Amino acid sequence: QVTLRESGPALVKPAQTLTLTCSVSGFSLITNGMCVSWIRQPPGKALEWLALIDWDDDKYYNRSLTTRLTIFRDTSKNLVVLTMTNMDPVDTATYYCARAPSRDNNFDYWGQGLLVTVSS
Amino acid sequence: QSVLTQPPSVSEAPGQRVAISCSGSSSNIGNSVVHWYQQLPGRPPKLLIYYDDLLASGVSDRFSGSKSGTSASLAISGLQSDDEADYYCATWDDRLHGPVFGGGTKLTVL
Repeated sequence: QVTLRESGPALVKPAQTLTLTCSVSGFSLITNGMCVSWIRQPPGKALEWLALIDWDDDKYYNRSLTTRLTIFRDTSKNLVVLTMTNMDPVDTATYYCARAPSRDNNFDYWGQGLLVTVSS
Repeated sequence: QSVLTQPPSVSEAPGQRVAISCSGSSSNIGNSVVHWYQQLPGRPPKLLIYYDDLLASGVSDRFSGSKSGTSASLAISGLQSDDEADYYCATWDDRLHGPVFGGGTKLTVL
């Protein structure tokens, strides 16, 4: 059974760094073709892809946010971690991690999402 | 503002058919496969259609996808009240070097 679960703080202050963890089970992060992405959705708005790490440990970032994002994994713990620096109230959103079984990025399994609010 | 353009909303009566369009360019839809997601209120997105026209596991065959050139379309036949949701198209963009989503379309079943 494939599952993904996001964890992290529900509230961060402006200028702080956000660290989100995606715990995965039911599949291997190093299976050929496997990709895990972070995707966010501000309240009432559309989905926005943030970052991706693939089976070969290659990383891709949303070009408009690349200077603020870092994605990495711990294969021994089945974790994918995203850090986002210099948080701003406009970064308030539900953050999802999602799995794609290929580089075509058909996200077939999603976590439940974590609402992160940026406020002082 | 998304590089993939969807109508903000569509509506149709129960039992009828509706189509949701997704317009892109040669750097995205014109050069990559398209996927469609359904998002019910308060829920994560769910994969409906992948690789332009393949039905995801467990999805009703009332849903279908198609693509032509730089545009794609999701059709839903036999509309039911349960189909009320937001629908998103997605693909890879060569210029942005990453996945991109459409702005989403809210479906209302009248």
